[in-house]
Amino acid sequence: DAGVTQSPTHLIKTRGQQVTLRCSPKSGHDTVSWYQQALGQGPQFIFQYYEEEERQRGNFPDRFSGHQFPNYSSELNVNALLLGDSALYLCASREWGVATNEKLFFGSGTQLSVL
Amino acid sequence: GDSVTQMEGPVTLSEEAFLTINCTYTATGYPSLFWYVQYPGEGLQLLLKATKADDKGSNKGFEATYRKETTSFHLEKGSVQVSDSAVYFCALEHSGNTPLVFGKGTRLSVIA
Repeated sequence: DAGVTQSPTHLIKTRGQQVTLRCSPKSGHDTVSWYQQALGQGPQFIFQYYEEEERQRGNFPDRFSGHQFPNYSSELNVNALLLGDSALYLCASREWGVATNEKLFFGSGTQLSVL
Repeated sequence: GDSVTQMEGPVTLSEEAFLTINCTYTATGYPSLFWYVQYPGEGLQLLLKATKADDKGSNKGFEATYRKETTSFHLEKGSVQVSDSAVYFCALEHSGNTPLVFGKGTRLSVIA
């Protein structure tokens, strides 16, 4: 059973460009969350998707947007990239309605470098 | 808002040494508390959890006790191994479907 898979694993972009990161949730999971982990920091919640809708959002600007597809996979889009967007982007999946994040599974992340 | 504070790293220990990584939190109500571990090149893995005051979470020789009176959830292990080298994150969950709030992480290096 594949866990949470993310692609690509590494990405280099320049300031002002746009980027799309992809995530396939663990089998049986229907809810996807995205976190940003800057160097030396803990992960910070960006947003969560369920039933193809954004359900919760953290303190991130509108440049960060997402999408969830009918097969539960998800994309994270970042427009007008800034140097400060350089980070490891983690995707996590779970089943909606599970009462605790104990059942949250993380992917290995996409390392984004903005030059 | 909710927040988690961890001791600054990096922490370097010799094999079989005792480990303590301090974690304190600020939150209203009664959050659940977690320790996650991140090995090089991998995602986060849940190490242990506690859901109420005085609960002790344990896994792979690691332990942490939920202390509401001191708002703490310190991670301990009696005898570390080289394979324990990783980054450890303390986190809280304020209620069922809310996002995790993480500390900044503590890097542990264990040398033989």
